[in-house]
Amino acid sequence: DTEVTQTPKHLVMGMTNKKSLKCEQHMGHRAMYWYKQKAKKPPELMFVYSYEKLSINESVPSRFSPECPNSSLLNLHLHALQPEDSALYLCASSQEKGSGWGQPQHFGDGTRLSIL
Amino acid sequence: DQQVKQNSPSLSVQEGRISILNCDYTNSMFDYFLWYKKYPAEGPTFLISISSIKDKNEDGRFTVFLNKSAKHLSLHIVPSQPGDSAVYFCAASLSGSARQLTFGSGTQLTVLP
Repeated sequence: DTEVTQTPKHLVMGMTNKKSLKCEQHMGHRAMYWYKQKAKKPPELMFVYSYEKLSINESVPSRFSPECPNSSLLNLHLHALQPEDSALYLCASSQEKGSGWGQPQHFGDGTRLSIL
Repeated sequence: DQQVKQNSPSLSVQEGRISILNCDYTNSMFDYFLWYKKYPAEGPTFLISISSIKDKNEDGRFTVFLNKSAKHLSLHIVPSQPGDSAVYFCAASLSGSARQLTFGSGTQLTVLP
C-alpha cells in the first residue's frame, strides 16, 4: 500500500473543462512533487513544493496550476488542457532535510488523465 | 541529451537466479542514485539508494553497486522471484539540486517461473 494517496485514479475531461487532481500524504514529509509520465517513458518533474512554497517549476504551461494548501495536501488544477496532456500524473513526497539530498521520493499510484 | 541511460529495455531471468540491471550516467556531478520498481497501474516504488561516497549498498535481496570511474551503477536481485517482474528505473540527483531526479528510461524485468 502506498502512503501517498492520489485521487481520482482516472479522469476523462474535455479541453474546456476545469478539474483538479489531489494528493495527500501523512508521513510528515515537507517536500511534495508533481510528475508527468507518458507511456513507456520515465517520469518528468513538473513542480516541487518545499514547506508549502513552490520551489521548482520546470517551465510547465500555465494550464497546469499547482497548489499546496497545507503540509499534507497537494493539488494540481487543470484548465484548457490539450490532447497531448493525456498522461499519468504522479505525486511524490520526501523528507526535507537541508537541500533534500539523500532523501528518496515516495510516489503515489497516479491519476490516469485522458483529454478528449 | 540523456544523462541517465538504461540501455537494456528488457531482461528475462529464471526464477532463483540473479537479475542484474544496469545504468550508466554521463554527469560526473551526480552524487546520489536510486532504484525504483514500477508495476503497471501503480506509481514507482523506492527500492534502494546509494550515495557517491559508497560503492555498495545492500538491503535484503537487493544490492546496488556504484562504479564512479566508469559512471555505472547496477542493481542485483538475488534470488529473483516472479513478483520481481516489473519495470525498474534508475535515477540520479545532484547535491545542489537534490530534489530534481533524472530518471533513466527503464528496464522491463521478467522473472520466469
